[in-house]
Amino acid sequence: DAKTTQPNSMESNEEEPVHLPCNHSTISGTDYIHWYRQLPSQGPEYVIHGLTSNVNNRMASLAIAEDRKSSTLILHRATLRDAAVYYCILPTQTTSGTYKYIFGTGTRLKVLA
Amino acid sequence: ETGVTQTPRHLVMGMTNKKSLKCEQHLGHNAMYWYKQSAKKPLELMFVYSLEERVENNSVPSRFSPECPNSSHLFLHLHTLQPEDSALYLCASSQVPGLADEQFFGPGTRLTVL
Repeated sequence: DAKTTQPNSMESNEEEPVHLPCNHSTISGTDYIHWYRQLPSQGPEYVIHGLTSNVNNRMASLAIAEDRKSSTLILHRATLRDAAVYYCILPTQTTSGTYKYIFGTGTRLKVLA
Repeated sequence: ETGVTQTPRHLVMGMTNKKSLKCEQHLGHNAMYWYKQSAKKPLELMFVYSLEERVENNSVPSRFSPECPNSSHLFLHLHTLQPEDSALYLCASSQVPGLADEQFFGPGTRLTVL
């Protein structure tokens, strides 16, 4: 299974952009890169995912390196509500054809007012 | 109700009790998942159901017994649990089992085993 590496924690000031890095040097050509976040006392929620090209949605942007060995989740203007644990995941297809999402320890983002 | 719901939200049980956790998804999805999140540990995938068939069991002890009677409901039956089974149990669903698409999570059941 391809693994991901993320910093344990990061801090950001409110209203400033945040760049959350993820290394996935063993990624295969067909692995999608997913990002989820988990707010305190809640289940994880989907943020964004991509394969090769950079992706944007209402929550964030995902910048994928040309060699796909790393990616960066970009929150354009951090708010206090963005304080959460952010997970970078490479879903792995099982022998049954379904996908497993292996969550690591993620990056705990602290947003300072 | 929308999304993925879980009941109860909190559960305290003794080691000899039998209880069940319930998950319901209102999204028309065909895959459902159980995860366990212990304190200070990453989420662990426990079971995967695709079209009501169990397709993945990640070496989970038999004291945890899942059941998927239809594509909208998923249960986790608990019996003779241990204190180390205390954790947040999360249910998730996704639309198509064979695609690495978005998973929708419920709020979880906080389980305490005394």
